[in-house]
Amino acid sequence: GAGVSQSPRYKVAKRGQDVALRCDPISGHVSLFWYQQALGQGPEFLTYFQNEAQLDKSGLPSDRFFAERPEGSVSTLKIQRTQQEDSAVYLCASSPRTVPEDTQYFGPGTRLTVL
Amino acid sequence: AQTVTQSQPEMSVQEAETVTLSCTYDTSESDYYLFWYKQPPSRQMILVIRQEAYKQQNATENRFSVNFQKAAKSFSLKISDSQLGDAAMYFCAYRSRSGSARQLTFGSGTQLTVLP
Repeated sequence: GAGVSQSPRYKVAKRGQDVALRCDPISGHVSLFWYQQALGQGPEFLTYFQNEAQLDKSGLPSDRFFAERPEGSVSTLKIQRTQQEDSAVYLCASSPRTVPEDTQYFGPGTRLTVL
Repeated sequence: AQTVTQSQPEMSVQEAETVTLSCTYDTSESDYYLFWYKQPPSRQMILVIRQEAYKQQNATENRFSVNFQKAAKSFSLKISDSQLGDAAMYFCAYRSRSGSARQLTFGSGTQLTVLP
């Protein structure tokens, strides 16, 4: 079956622009995660959804970052007034249930470059 | 808060040889999961192996095995009979088994090069 997909794969934005990054999780997966991966670093947690409910947004670095999953499937991560420090790869992951032993399946990521 | 440390930014191994990647972590919890993920240049993160902290037996998956030392908070990955396709960035990750936290906490990664 299809894995996690993300679009666009690459995004170049001018500083101050708003961007929207899309994640299509594996069909039927309840849990969805967003991570931010800076160059040469490990991914860092941003936010977590259980179906349409955003249960944890403790990793969002500022109020310019906003995520939603209105129908419990596709999710969008929006960054307003982008800054150079927002340049990173944004990874989405989904898992079938909410239990901790479930494997998280990752998408290919969106590489955001802010000029 | 939990932390994961990978002290080897880069490692190399000759094809068909064995290599061990190191990982240490810090936690006050007694029940958790540990993972090794592989991230090839295409960037899609792939699960390599998983270890439940309550299991004393070390996990193995074909050529991949771990050495889990709970008291020392150490979790190393051994790759036997290394293949060119094993070249990638490898991340060690921690996940709590209790409470509401479901996210992974990653180390900074080890870039593995396989030499032909």
